[in-house]
Amino acid sequence: NAGVTQTPKFQVLKTGQSMTLQCAQDMNHEYMSWYRQDPGMGLRLIHYSVGAGITDQGEVPNGYNVSRSTTEDFPLRLLSAAPSQTSVYFCASSRQGRNTEAFFGQGTRLTVV
Amino acid sequence: GDSVTQMEGPVTLSEEAFLTINCTYTATGYPSLFWYVQYPGEGLQLLLKATKADDKGSNKGFEATYRKETTSFHLEKGSVQVSDSAVYFCALRPNFGNEKLTFGTGTRLTIIP
Repeated sequence: NAGVTQTPKFQVLKTGQSMTLQCAQDMNHEYMSWYRQDPGMGLRLIHYSVGAGITDQGEVPNGYNVSRSTTEDFPLRLLSAAPSQTSVYFCASSRQGRNTEAFFGQGTRLTVV
Repeated sequence: GDSVTQMEGPVTLSEEAFLTINCTYTATGYPSLFWYVQYPGEGLQLLLKATKADDKGSNKGFEATYRKETTSFHLEKGSVQVSDSAVYFCALRPNFGNEKLTFGTGTRLTIIP
């Protein structure tokens, strides 16, 4: 019962570097999303996907790219890291439907120096 | 757009005290309402939910009632324990269109023995 798996758990990047945060779920959920968590701001939606091949922007998409080639995987790419992207990132998945529970990964703590 | 306003923290209580964390929302129609909890070093997990007006969600001694007339979903527990120390997030999902969750800023709760 893996649920939602995120890797890595911790990462330090230099300004300008790129990297990919991995997210995989084994529950065959259609809906997947990425959030960032910052002090005093709660969770803000970066990008989301309603199924393989379909992605859309959330509240704070700038500086991030996503793709959804399979139902299971939803990687988040930072194109050119900036200190403002220092945050904790969470991936979540759920079945479609307004009443369904969202399952979250354990998070990736990213520091950009 | 949709929004969730949560009681500012942090909140510190003694064990066995009564807990209330206020949550109000702005949304069109009848959104679904959720409380998520984040224990230290972990991702968020669903605590309880309510999907229509006057519904009461409950779990682990926590309760919250969906009040359409006051657009509120306050979290309560009659007697808190040290193990309840965590960050609590109120969230909503609209009743049409998509599965996007909108979160409040979170309330950090610390219970002292």
